Amino acid sequence: EGQLVESGGDLVQPGGSLRLSCGGSGFSFATYSFNWFRQAPGKGLEWISYISSSTSAIYYADSVQGRFTISRDNSKDSLYLQMNSLRAEDTAMYYCARDSSPNGDSVYWFFDLWGRGTLVTVSP
Amino acid sequence: EIVLTQSPGTLALSPGDRATLSCRASQAVTGNYLAWYQQKPGQAPRLLIYGASSRATGIPDRFSGSGSGTDFTLTISRLDPEDFAVYSCQHYAASPLTFGAGTKVEIK
Repeated sequence: EGQLVESGGDLVQPGGSLRLSCGGSGFSFATYSFNWFRQAPGKGLEWISYISSSTSAIYYADSVQGRFTISRDNSKDSLYLQMNSLRAEDTAMYYCARDSSPNGDSVYWFFDLWGRGTLVTVSP
Repeated sequence: EIVLTQSPGTLALSPGDRATLSCRASQAVTGNYLAWYQQKPGQAPRLLIYGASSRATGIPDRFSGSGSGTDFTLTISRLDPEDFAVYSCQHYAASPLTFGAGTKVEIK
């Protein structure tokens, strides 16, 4: 079935940086594409970034384009999100999630495995 | 961008009751590319339904999805104590994919 575990969330000042990690276990990490989402307090989920299984395709939401960088290391079964130039509005719980397609050549865009999240707070 | 509006915001019901949750899109969701998730505090979101009506692996048959176009419904036929949670819909018909704000199903 598998598991995803996020880490790296913290309290950071505006303008600062943070790197989130997401470790996968119990499934063939390298064959799946992954996404990062976030959920601000009292708000709905927001998609922020996608990376394909081979890293040949990477997408970002407009809200984070140019500030956030998604990456992965299949040898470590890990996904990352480098967050720079953080703003107060980036404060949220951040989740990684696996695309439901088990085939790295196709993308379903709905998500069958999620982590529990890691909290990022941007405040002076 | 497709905006998803979920109603009601909160649904107060008793175990054994039937729950009907609505998700309305600001424009047609082509291909019925709509999913439903369950969220409990401190837990990972859980995929319930995809393609508007297909149950995800391991999801009990008391959960069902229906609808097309702009109006979608998640129905829980008989609420189990473990079903009290927040439910969110998500479309994947176009970029960007978006989520509704959620419906909280709480114990009456």
